Amino acid sequence: GQSLEQPSEVTAVEGAIVQINCTYQTSGFYGLSWYQQHDGGAPTFLSYNALDGLEETGRFSSFLSRSDSYGYLLLQELQMKDSASYFCALNSGNTPLVFGKGTRLSVIA
Amino acid sequence: NAGVTQTPKFRVLKTGQSMTLLCAQDMNHEYMYWYRQDPGMGLRLIHYSVGEGTTAKGEVPDGYNVSRLKKQNFLLGLESAAPSQTSVYFCASSSTTGKSSYNEQFFGPGTRLTVL
Repeated sequence: GQSLEQPSEVTAVEGAIVQINCTYQTSGFYGLSWYQQHDGGAPTFLSYNALDGLEETGRFSSFLSRSDSYGYLLLQELQMKDSASYFCALNSGNTPLVFGKGTRLSVIA
Repeated sequence: NAGVTQTPKFRVLKTGQSMTLLCAQDMNHEYMYWYRQDPGMGLRLIHYSVGEGTTAKGEVPDGYNVSRLKKQNFLLGLESAAPSQTSVYFCASSSTTGKSSYNEQFFGPGTRLTVL
């Protein structure tokens, strides 16, 4: 089967940088996705890594290392509105995404 | 373009009652999914569909049934509700689970269900 592990909670200061890690176990996959979910809202797509390395989208970057079975989401210049839950998910192609349990990020002043 | 919509937004049921949750998407997506979300458990897949007239079981299918009679609609049914089914239910759709695509899933706003 497939499984993903993320820290349950992370706290960071406004304006700082925070990294949310995701380790996974799988026999094969095509890429790793990241989703954001604000309290009371629906998950929304943030980023995707099909290849090893860093993908940058504005203040957010995502990284994948297949050899280490590891990825992370990097948020820079943190803002209060970044307080949310973040989920990593495995894309295995012909089956639905498998989501991690999520990391709740709290941004404090 | 409404994206993914869900009906109803909130519902309270008594144990043993039945109900149907409706999901509709206007993006012509082939794939549709039903998830439940409970505190600390992330998103757990209940059932999914890879096209009109087809359905498949996900991680937690017991107590639920689904139907995909039209491409744009995906219905989730609870035949005899139990308190353990108290949860937030999300529907999602995607254009493909594709090998080379990022398989972005678009989520509806959710249905908050309480079973007493």
